[in-house]
Parts: sequence; structure tokens; C-alpha cells
Amino acid sequence: KNEVEQSPQNLTAQEGEFITINCSYSVGISALHWLQQHPGGGIVSLFMLSSGKKKHGRLIATINIQEKHSSLHITASHPRDSAVYICAVSNFSTDKLIFGTGTRLQVFP
Amino acid sequence: DAGVIQSPRHEVTEMGQEVTLRCKPISGHNSLFWYRQTMMRGLELLIYFNNNVPIDDSGMPEDRFSAKMPNASFSTLKIQPSEPRDSAVYFCASSLGPGHYYGYTFGSGTRLTVV
Repeated sequence: KNEVEQSPQNLTAQEGEFITINCSYSVGISALHWLQQHPGGGIVSLFMLSSGKKKHGRLIATINIQEKHSSLHITASHPRDSAVYICAVSNFSTDKLIFGTGTRLQVFP
Repeated sequence: DAGVIQSPRHEVTEMGQEVTLRCKPISGHNSLFWYRQTMMRGLELLIYFNNNVPIDDSGMPEDRFSAKMPNASFSTLKIQPSEPRDSAVYFCASSLGPGHYYGYTFGSGTRLTVV
């Protein structure tokens, strides 16, 4: 079993829909990261959080430490949100990342 | 700040040749990471430096891979000799270090193809 599990693996949506991507982890962590990677592109750090909730534009990330679960929400989705979204965790003594397998999101106009 | 800078962006080489990938982290960042991304294995850590010292190299596949960080502003990942199974995208990332909840930044990656 992977230490970081994401669901769904693939997700399609119509423009404007509300999207949720889930991440569960089984190890102790100090922070959880949400990353975005466009096809053929680099990796962008969207959020780094250790508790509660963070919001940036149409993106919202939440984490429940007790349940070892995080969600990434996209409100009013747009075709430019089409990308792979990767959940990753880092532990207390280092900040090297353990990655989930990613969620491929396609938003159609 | 120009972010984490990697070079080259693309590298095509023949099997058996030496390959050197380069990375310049963000100034002031204390941690540097080399990650590899493949279709089969996704993203995986190769090696991690903190204050220029290798902390964890357990992800380095074998002796053909070596990494150095001679100073705070430069790191190299070398593969010698290269093999087709080394074909992947190699990302360098830097961060402020453990306990800092911002500042984790990836480079644009080097796409390596070994033929």
C-alpha cells in the first residue's frame, strides 16, 4: 500500500463545475503539499499546509490531521485547470517529499 | 528571483555516455532535492542535501548515479554510464528547510532521453 493515496486517478468535468480531489496518507507528517503539473510542463507548488484550510483564488485546500486526509477543491473550473494534481507529504525531520500517484484532471468547455 | 534553474532543458545521449544535469537553487534556500519522474514510477526522490551536505541518498538507483553540491548555489547530478532505462524527467527543487511552511520550489526539469 502506498504511503500517499489519491483519488480519483482521472477526473473529467465541464467548465464551471466544482471539483474535489482527495488525498489520504498513512505516515506521520509535518506538512502536506498540493502540486500542479501541466502536460509536458514543470511542477508548481499550489499549497503547503499543516492544519486547517488555505485558499488561493479558486483553489481551496483543507487538511484533517486526525483523519490523515486532505482535499483540494477547485471552484468554477476552467479548461486551463486541466493538469495533473499531485499530493505529497513531508515529515518532521526533513522536507523531502513522498508523492501520491497524481490525479489527471480534464476540464472541457 | 528567477526561481530554481536547471540545465539543460532537454538532453539526448547515446547509451554509455556520461550525462551531467545542473541545478541552481533559490538563493537563501538551505535544502536541495533531486527527483526523477517516469511514467512507471511517478515522482521519486533521488537525493537530498541540506546546507550542501548529502542527507539522504537512498533513492539513488545505483553507483552509476552521483550528485554533488560544492556550494550553496550549485548542484550536479551525474550519470555514468547512461542507460536507456535512465530516460526520465529529472527535477531539482529547493526549500528553506525543515519546519518552514512555504518556499518549496521546483525547477522546470531536464528531460533526458538515452538511446
